[in-house]
Amino acid sequence: SAVISQKPSRDICQRGTSLTIQCQVDSQVTMMFWYRQQPGQSLTLIATANQGSEATYESGFVIDKFPISRPNLTFSTLTVSNMSPEDSSIYLCSVEEGGGQGYRTEAFFGQGTRLTVV
Amino acid sequence: GDSVTQMEGPVTLSEEAFLTINCTYTATGYPSLFWYVQYPGEGLQLLLKATKADDKGSNKGFEATYRKETTSFHLEKGSVQVSDSAVYFCALIRTDSWGKFQFGAGTQVVVTP
Repeated sequence: SAVISQKPSRDICQRGTSLTIQCQVDSQVTMMFWYRQQPGQSLTLIATANQGSEATYESGFVIDKFPISRPNLTFSTLTVSNMSPEDSSIYLCSVEEGGGQGYRTEAFFGQGTRLTVV
Repeated sequence: GDSVTQMEGPVTLSEEAFLTINCTYTATGYPSLFWYVQYPGEGLQLLLKATKADDKGSNKGFEATYRKETTSFHLEKGSVQVSDSAVYFCALIRTDSWGKFQFGAGTQVVVTP
């Protein structure tokens, strides 16, 4: 099973600034995923990050606001740009291990970055 | 599109009570189904999973059975403990959808001594 480390674990930021969240995996993975969990809400996928190509963003999320880097198979960063209080959320990095015959096994999550924008 | 609906919380129980959290889903094909748990201040952890119809996932006294005919994956535990207080998320993923989990809204469970 993959072990994922995220940092920072939490931060309080001023509006208009940017924060970069790092995600380190203890094994090589093809795809990494970034989710957002707004207060009291479920998880929403922001984007899929593949090594060597641009991230693929879900509807409602754009690269200018959430630029992502994926320099190698064990690391990714998510930047939350020009922050506003509405960006206050938990941001989670995830990787998935696939099983045989097309069955998904499970997703592994980092402990999350709790962001508060003031 | 795919969706997961789970009962709203918070669910408040006394220790040793029976817990059920309902989860139904909408998806094309044959998704894999999961229950994740989020303890206070922590990330998500996989609790159990089922990859095909009639499979039963179980872990730490929790069980859930993949019911295709009712498109459900209800979570149950016969005797809860205070340490089971957490938020529980039902989730699905289609076999053709790498990494794109669809999560339910989450159900907060509070177990009192």
